[in-house]
Amino acid sequence: KAGVTQTPRYLIKTRGQQVTLSCSPISGHRSVSWYQQTPGQGLQFLFEYFSETQRNKGNFPGRFSGRQFSNSRSEMNVSTLELGDSALYLCASSPGLAGGPSGELFFGEGSRLTVL
Amino acid sequence: AQKVTQAQTEISVVEKEDVTLDCVYETRDTTYYLFWYKQPPSGELVFLIRRNSFDEQNEISGRYSWNFQKSTSSFNFTITASQVVDSAVYFCALSETTTGNQFYFGTGTSLTVIP
Repeated sequence: KAGVTQTPRYLIKTRGQQVTLSCSPISGHRSVSWYQQTPGQGLQFLFEYFSETQRNKGNFPGRFSGRQFSNSRSEMNVSTLELGDSALYLCASSPGLAGGPSGELFFGEGSRLTVL
Repeated sequence: AQKVTQAQTEISVVEKEDVTLDCVYETRDTTYYLFWYKQPPSGELVFLIRRNSFDEQNEISGRYSWNFQKSTSSFNFTITASQVVDSAVYFCALSETTTGNQFYFGTGTSLTVIP
């Protein structure tokens, strides 16, 4: 069974630009979550999508957005990039149950974003 | 307030030594889940174990064991006879019924096993 796939793996942007990251979950998984990992803040929850609806959102500014498609694939977008957005962005999928914790998350290898 | 605390930032042990990674959590939910993940240099977080709040039985899986104690809000992880391949960053995480599938991660413990 293929794991969680994230693209691109590495990217470099400059301040003010925008970026779109993609995540393909494990087949059959309906929940996709995004996390930002930085040395200073650790792993922080961005948002979770389930059946194309945002089910939960972390404490990030509106520049961070996401969406989920009918095939459960997800994208996240960061607009007007700032230096502090440099991070490893991790996507995770799980089977998803309506309304509650769904067990373990299965993570991709992440997209490493560098903002210059 | 930090929901998951991993006080040990870095640990170094010599191969074949036992090592315990500490995790203390904080929640008001009566139903919650605790996890341990391993992050090798490749970046992918690898799931190790899940425990729900109603199951305080300790668990052993090969060289790995976990000690869950609700009385002290701790979920510690022990590696017996450590090996070089155990070198990684280990994260403890909490998910609560009231916040759905959102995971709260500790800051991680970087373990180095010296041959």
